[in-house]
Amino acid sequence: NAGVTQTPKFQVLKTGQSMTLQCAQDMNHNSMYWYRQDPGMGLRLIYYSASEGTTDKGEVPNGYNVSRLNKREFSLRLESAAPSQTSVYFCASAPKVSYEQYFGPGTRLTVT
Amino acid sequence: AQKITQTQPGMFVQEKEAVTLDCTYDTSDPSYGLFWYKQPSSGEMIFLIYQGSYDQQNATEGRYSLNFQKARKSANLVISASQLGDSAMYFCAMRELRINFGNEKLTFGTGTRLTIIP
Repeated sequence: NAGVTQTPKFQVLKTGQSMTLQCAQDMNHNSMYWYRQDPGMGLRLIYYSASEGTTDKGEVPNGYNVSRLNKREFSLRLESAAPSQTSVYFCASAPKVSYEQYFGPGTRLTVT
Repeated sequence: AQKITQTQPGMFVQEKEAVTLDCTYDTSDPSYGLFWYKQPSSGEMIFLIYQGSYDQQNATEGRYSLNFQKARKSANLVISASQLGDSAMYFCAMRELRINFGNEKLTFGTGTRLTIIP
């Protein structure tokens, strides 16, 4: 099992460019999450998907969109990147009833 | 108000000593879970330990234990016999089960950077 995988690992964008961060899990988990991690801020939830076909906003959704393509995949899109979106992005997944979330390795995004 | 507060931005501890990392939380949900994650310099998030609000005993996992004081709303992580490999960022997190029924989204604290000195 690969667990939770994220692509790309690193990305540099210019202001105004768009991109999609990909996340996939092979653990048959129902719930999937996108977080961003900024220095001194801990992890903050951007969007989550409690099950296939549903998505909901988290704490900091502005500037992002998500797609739960199927049970395995949950993508995060930046339509018009801004320097404030420079961060490390983590995807996570969890079974419907679970004690822990499983995290991917993260994507380091820089917007210049 | 902050849901999760970690008041120690950084700590230095001698190898083989025990260390306590502080975490206080704020919730009105009677049903919640508390987590600790470790983030080494490589960046991945590693689950360490979990405590449920109704659990009668403090959680333990190897060298990790959680000092859960419900009335004080604190969930401190204790690492016994620290090792050089324990140097990392440590995050406390909470899941509110009734407010967020049907999903397991977590609220994280800002973390504590632990450095073990040889």
